[in-house]
Amino acid sequence: AQSVTQLDSQVPVFEEAPVELRCNYSSSVSVYLFWYVQYPNQGLQLLLKYLSGSTLVKGINGFEAEFNKSQTSFHLRKPSVHISDTAEYFCAVSEGNTPLVFGKGTRLSVIA
Amino acid sequence: EAGVAQSPRYKIIEKRQSVAFWCNPISGHATLYWYQQILGQGPKLLIQFQNNGVVDDSQLPKDRFSAERLKGVDSTLKIQPAKLEDSAVYLCASSSGTGTGNEQFFGPGTRLTVL
Repeated sequence: AQSVTQLDSQVPVFEEAPVELRCNYSSSVSVYLFWYVQYPNQGLQLLLKYLSGSTLVKGINGFEAEFNKSQTSFHLRKPSVHISDTAEYFCAVSEGNTPLVFGKGTRLSVIA
Repeated sequence: EAGVAQSPRYKIIEKRQSVAFWCNPISGHATLYWYQQILGQGPKLLIQFQNNGVVDDSQLPKDRFSAERLKGVDSTLKIQPAKLEDSAVYLCASSSGTGTGNEQFFGPGTRLTVL
């Protein structure tokens, strides 16, 4: 069965600094990978997804992620963060038509 | 376009009481999902509907949880009787198709506290 590990529960970073949020998954078959963002008291919003094709995926708000099959990773990056990026970020995996399995989340705190 | 609507936003009940949550998906979305998000964890799928039929309810605790989507549009999730461990945010999501590649749009959630 697939599972997702988000290695950092909290990541503090100064405004305009780069950030990487790490995600590793386990699966024995081909996967679809997703990053969602959750702002306080709101539902989840899709940032980006990898279904097939190019391993570098660009999403909304300047985020991008790279699928690395050999490392079973799908790390999320942004070259310069803003205060408004403060939120909870969830990595999720699916093996096709199976339900999304979410990680426990990483709380990104951007410091002015 | 209006998003996924959920009500109530907050609910506090005592254990052994019953509670119901309501969800109205985005217009035209055939697939509806209910997730449970316990504090400090990611969302966990409880049930998935395609129109008014159940696609997956393997993780729904059927002894106390029930859900319906009678007319293939809005949906209700009920817990009866509630336990302390049911305290969580209940998220509703909808998508235009059933495949995982279809983007799921989430509502703001209902925060349930069981005392």
